[in-house]
Amino acid sequence: GNSVTQMEGPVTLSEEAFLTINCTYTATGYPSLFWYVQYPGEGLQLLLKATKADDKGSNKGFEATYRKETTSFHLEKGSVQVSDSAVYFCALSERNAGNMLTFGGGTRLMVKP
Amino acid sequence: GAVVSQHPSRVICKSGTSVKIECRSLDFQATTMFWYRQFPKKSLMLMATSNEGSKATYEQGVEKDKFLINHASLTLSTLTVTSAHPEDSSFYICSAEDHQSYNEQFFGPGTRLTVL
Repeated sequence: GNSVTQMEGPVTLSEEAFLTINCTYTATGYPSLFWYVQYPGEGLQLLLKATKADDKGSNKGFEATYRKETTSFHLEKGSVQVSDSAVYFCALSERNAGNMLTFGGGTRLMVKP
Repeated sequence: GAVVSQHPSRVICKSGTSVKIECRSLDFQATTMFWYRQFPKKSLMLMATSNEGSKATYEQGVEKDKFLINHASLTLSTLTVTSAHPEDSSFYICSAEDHQSYNEQFFGPGTRLTVL
């Protein structure tokens, strides 16, 4: 079956630091990959996505590249802000699985001023 | 982007009572909606897939008689937690699939249920 593994948090950074949150996946076919962000007390918001190998998703300064050879989709940002503090979820979906999302365990990011 | 709402956002109820949570797609039609449960500091666990006009498909280990799902229209799915107990306290999140956006799932803001 499909699975997503992401680094455990919390990740604590100072403002303007470089961020990497690792994500690797196992899938039977050719999944689409996603990063979602959850702010305290809220639902999930799609941050970025990539639908095929070598695609790069980007949004709000965050980037992630779909690496089929390493089955990875690591999230990066060059300079984090306090407002980026949230929980980040890596996820995948496959058409032959009814587009159901499989989530990683989530990584809490705390950015200190 | 597409908007999904949930109501209520928070509910506190007594043990033994039933609670209904609504999930609405506000500006698109969703033949498929999903219900998730999230425990504190944990990931989302898919509970069931709700299909308009048919029975929901429940994930293994989820009691269908306890978590009743109805998807009566293309914009509304409801989750009813029957005879709620304190262990049902959780954050429930729905999502709706938008076929106009390559089947992307859009998430509601979540409902926090506390059973006393």
